[in-house]
Amino acid sequence: SQKIEQNSEALNIQEGKTATLTCNYTNYSPAYLQWYRQDPGRGPVFLLLIRENEKEKRKERLKVTFDTTLKQSLFHITASQPADSATYLCALDEGYSTLTFGKGTMLLVSP
Amino acid sequence: EAQVTQNPRYLITVTGKKLTVTCSQNMNHEYMSWYRQDPGLGLRQIYYSMNVEVTDKGDVPEGYKVSRKEKRNFPLILESPSPNQTSLYFCASSPRTSGAKRMQYFGPGTRLTVT
Repeated sequence: SQKIEQNSEALNIQEGKTATLTCNYTNYSPAYLQWYRQDPGRGPVFLLLIRENEKEKRKERLKVTFDTTLKQSLFHITASQPADSATYLCALDEGYSTLTFGKGTMLLVSP
Repeated sequence: EAQVTQNPRYLITVTGKKLTVTCSQNMNHEYMSWYRQDPGLGLRQIYYSMNVEVTDKGDVPEGYKVSRKEKRNFPLILESPSPNQTSLYFCASSPRTSGAKRMQYFGPGTRLTVT
């Protein structure tokens, strides 16, 4: 099964900077890769989905890249705000029945 | 409002006392799933359902049962709960069983403590 690695250490950045979070996987490339936001004690909320044949996807201040050669996805938040502070999860969808989630990276944006 | 609801939101119970956590979605989604989330382990899938009367095991199914008799409901049953099932549980649904519409819509979570 896939092993997914997200940085377990929290990412601390200043307001206005670009946050970049990493999702690495070990085996074959998934058909789709998804990113979610999770606030403490709440359910994850879907943010973006990128297909394996797409290099980049954008939505407002969010950008996701997908490099199947490096087996890596990067998630960027530009002009970050304190309200962006949360844990961000990546999930691999190999096109079968299940999704595999990473453990998430906590982002802390300070004013 | 389109949503996934779970009940109860919090539950403290004792070892061996059967319990059911309900999950309901009002979006006419085909795919439904249960996850548990534990510190350091992340989200792990327990069971999923591709449609009514179609269910299958996820990564950690031991000690759990599910049923899908109606499209909107997907209850999680713990026949004989044990302390290692203390966790935060999430139900999720998805509009499709495959393809680019497989994003998950999560419920608010059920925090279960088994003593």
